[in-house]
Amino acid sequence: TQLLEQSPQFLSIQEGENLTVYCNSSSVFSSLQWYRQEPGEGPVLLVTVVTGGEVKKLKRLTFQFGDARKDSSLHITAAQPGDTGLYLCAGGARGTYKYIFGTGTRLKVLA
Amino acid sequence: EAGVVQSPRYKIIEKKQPVAFWCNPISGHNTLYWYLQNLGQGPELLIRYENEEAVDDSQLPKDRFSAERLKGVDSTLKIQPAELGDSAVYLCASSPFRTERYHEQFFGPGTRLTVL
Repeated sequence: TQLLEQSPQFLSIQEGENLTVYCNSSSVFSSLQWYRQEPGEGPVLLVTVVTGGEVKKLKRLTFQFGDARKDSSLHITAAQPGDTGLYLCAGGARGTYKYIFGTGTRLKVLA
Repeated sequence: EAGVVQSPRYKIIEKKQPVAFWCNPISGHNTLYWYLQNLGQGPELLIRYENEEAVDDSQLPKDRFSAERLKGVDSTLKIQPAELGDSAVYLCASSPFRTERYHEQFFGPGTRLTVL
């Protein structure tokens, strides 16, 4: 069974702080996506990482794919209340068309 | 470009009643997914279509759930009869890709189902 474990599960921080969310698996993924979901809406795609060791930046968000393509991280610099939401990693396991979502990290940024 | 459209947005029914959800994917997207999402958790795949073909329905509880995508465009997911434990958000997503390398998906707003 392929699993994507995210940590932490919950995170409440003050505006301006930095944070990192982790996404780990024992399986190798051909690609990994990060999504953000706000209440009452569907997940919105933030980024795709494909190459082991790849780093992508999206304004204050930095995404990294592990060298072995089994893990990923999302780092937010100077968090803002607008970053509040449920962050989900998801991926397609190599060699299959199976696509699974991580367990989710609920982030709350306080003003 | 219009996004993924789902209806209804909310549905409240009594247990043992039937319910149906409708999804219209982004134009040109061949792959369509139905997910179930419980509060605070990640979506769980129910069924994936490639055009009209259901290529992965291994997680669909077939005793009460059914789905169709007759013309390879819009899709309907049905539950009959609904149980209390079916209360959740049902998400539809579509994707333009059909390769192992990319699985980027675009989601609709979901249908929140409450079974009383």
